[in-house]
Amino acid sequence: GAVVSQHPSRVICKSGTSVKIECRSLDFQATTMFWYRQFPKQSLMLMATSNEGSKATYEQGVEKDKFLINHASLTLSTLTVTSAHPEDSSFYICSAREGAGGQETQYFGPGTRLLVL
Amino acid sequence: AQSVAQPEDQVNVAEGNPLTVKCTYSVSGNPYLFWYVQYPNRGLQFLLKYITGDNLVKGSYGFEAEFNKSQTSFHLKKPSALVSDSALYFCAVRELGNNDMRFGAGTRLTVKP
Repeated sequence: GAVVSQHPSRVICKSGTSVKIECRSLDFQATTMFWYRQFPKQSLMLMATSNEGSKATYEQGVEKDKFLINHASLTLSTLTVTSAHPEDSSFYICSAREGAGGQETQYFGPGTRLLVL
Repeated sequence: AQSVAQPEDQVNVAEGNPLTVKCTYSVSGNPYLFWYVQYPNRGLQFLLKYITGDNLVKGSYGFEAEFNKSQTSFHLKKPSALVSDSALYFCAVRELGNNDMRFGAGTRLTVKP
């Protein structure tokens, strides 16, 4: 299947700093990428849909100024957690959709574990 | 609105026995159904999907799933479980024409030697 990479895999930062997470589709182009957040022992929560060349669409309750998304190209989307606080500590997973015509499959990155001290 | 239910938090089976992980869905239109597996501290790995066609879908690592429209179910199955199959399994649904995917709560599968 298609490969999606994320970088970094793990990051520890101080409260108040910003953290950028990169998501890349390695062997396909993705006009749409997704950012999820997963709390321990819970399912994935969709945060936002990232569209290449346009603004991201955020789910209700997700602060767009807090979680900045930039879909710079057909193979790269970035999530920046601004002024991070301990409650932002979580596992962040990106996903990229491959294919077209309504039969697309979403492939997921390996995730980024963020710990804010 | 679309939703997915995985009624079992945990499934335990002995190695070599068949396994079933249950999933039911709710959509107003035609469903696209997916199964993913997640190992500790990793992202989700795609196992299989149902879009259209045969109700029995075969996927990676010997897994298969059967789409049952009348029961709105898409249970994941494997004839003979391996210890290495132990992981967290997520069922997901996306409705035709809808952009986002909804995930079930996940089922933790434990295969004991």
